[in-house]
Amino acid sequence: AQSVTQLDSQVPVFEEAPVELRCNYSSSVSVYLFWYVQYPNQGLQLLLKYLSGSTLVESINGFEAEFNKSQTSFHLRKPSVHISDTAEYFCAVLNTGGFKTIFGAGTRLFVKA
Amino acid sequence: NAGVTQTPKFQVLKTGQSMTLQCAQDMNHEYMSWYRQDPGMGLRLIHYSVGAGITDQGEVPNGYNVSRSTTEDFPLRLLSAAPSQTSVYFCASSYAPGTGGSYEQYFGPGTRLTVT
Repeated sequence: AQSVTQLDSQVPVFEEAPVELRCNYSSSVSVYLFWYVQYPNQGLQLLLKYLSGSTLVESINGFEAEFNKSQTSFHLRKPSVHISDTAEYFCAVLNTGGFKTIFGAGTRLFVKA
Repeated sequence: NAGVTQTPKFQVLKTGQSMTLQCAQDMNHEYMSWYRQDPGMGLRLIHYSVGAGITDQGEVPNGYNVSRSTTEDFPLRLLSAAPSQTSVYFCASSYAPGTGGSYEQYFGPGTRLTVT
C-alpha cells in the first residue's frame, strides 16, 4: 500500500529566507508525485508535479521539488519565501496505472515579516 | 468554465440526520472523488468514481454512499450523521489515470460540516 509522510507539521520562517518542506513516500510500484497548496478557507490547487523525465520540477512562483527514487523523497524548496506563501502544503502520490491519490498530513508554512 | 462546484458551503446537522453534499464539474473529467480533511490528518479518500455508473471505496467509506449517474455530478450522501463526521469535505475531479491526461486533481471549495 502507498503512504506519504510529511516530516514537519509546521514550518515558521522569516520572509526572504529559504525553506524546504520534506516529503517521503512508500510504494511498491512506480509513482507520480504532486505538491498541492491550500490557502486559508480554499480548496487545494496544484503547485507542481513529477510524472516522468527530469527529476527536478518547478512551479511558476519559484518553488521546485526533486524526485529522489533511491530515497523515496520529493522535497519542496524555495530559495526566498514571501509573506504570500503562507499556506498549507500537501504532498501526494499516485501509483502509475492506479486510481487513488494518497495525501500526506500537510505542512503549514508560516512566513513572518 | 466553473470548474468544480460544491454545495452547500456550510451545514450543521443533528446526530442521526441524513443529507447529500452536491458536487459538479464542467470539465468532462472521468474521475471524481470525495475527501474529508481533518486537522493533522491531511485528506482521506472516502469514495471515488472512474466514470458514470462506476464507483469504489476509498480509505474511509463507512457512513457514506455515492452514486454517479452522469459524468458531471457526484453527490455524497451521509446516511445517519455522527459527530465523528464533523469535517471539511472536498470534491475533486481529473482525467482518469491511464487515459493520457495530466493526472492532477482539480478541487472544489469545500463544504464545512458540523454534526452536533
